[in-house]
Amino acid sequence: GAGVSQSPRYKVTKRGQDVALRCDPISGHVSLYWYRQALGQGPEFLTYFNYEAQQDKSGLPNDRFSAERPEGSISTLTIQRTEQRDSAMYRCASSIGGRGDTIYFGEGSWLTVV
Amino acid sequence: ELKVEQNPLFLSMQEEKNYTIYCNYSTTSDRLYWYRQDPGKSLESLFVLLSNGAVKQEGRLMASLDTKARLSTLHITAAVHDLSATYFCAGGGSEKLVFGKGTKLTVNP
Repeated sequence: GAGVSQSPRYKVTKRGQDVALRCDPISGHVSLYWYRQALGQGPEFLTYFNYEAQQDKSGLPNDRFSAERPEGSISTLTIQRTEQRDSAMYRCASSIGGRGDTIYFGEGSWLTVV
Repeated sequence: ELKVEQNPLFLSMQEEKNYTIYCNYSTTSDRLYWYRQDPGKSLESLFVLLSNGAVKQEGRLMASLDTKARLSTLHITAAVHDLSATYFCAGGGSEKLVFGKGTKLTVNP
């Protein structure tokens, strides 16, 4: 596609349910990132993939959060047993893969846990 | 751990005036990004600065990087209303980018 595509755009879930957020990066982009952005704040790093390999997951808040990119393209961020504090905008981004390349962000998935 | 500080956090400007947003970072960062975000929208890449002394310009916006001072600036020349947005800088020594809190810019007639 022309840009980074994320789905669903909006998700309301009950506390304790699992949610899966999907990211389809720009075609051919090797690097894929997940960030979380709270209202009025800058994005906060969660995890990063190079092809299918998860290179850095240091930003995942706890073990309820996981991410995968099994074929080096589409990625899924899964949050198990959601809590209200998980409510935020989750943004995916991708880049061609070289240091200093432009990193393109998607429109985000807005998660509300009730 | 890298920390990125932007100032000011809020900036109200008059049209046709010039102003500068500052981005300080705490440890070595081998690249510095500037993004623009409109309300309810995604982040739009403005500039990527990779080396000391790098300067890039696009329209009324000019960004520069001083790695020795650990400082990047975003200079706005002759502001116009459609520059109203939140501007973020971000740096990192690895693939993990650390963002500042953003500068909310409002350009008034």
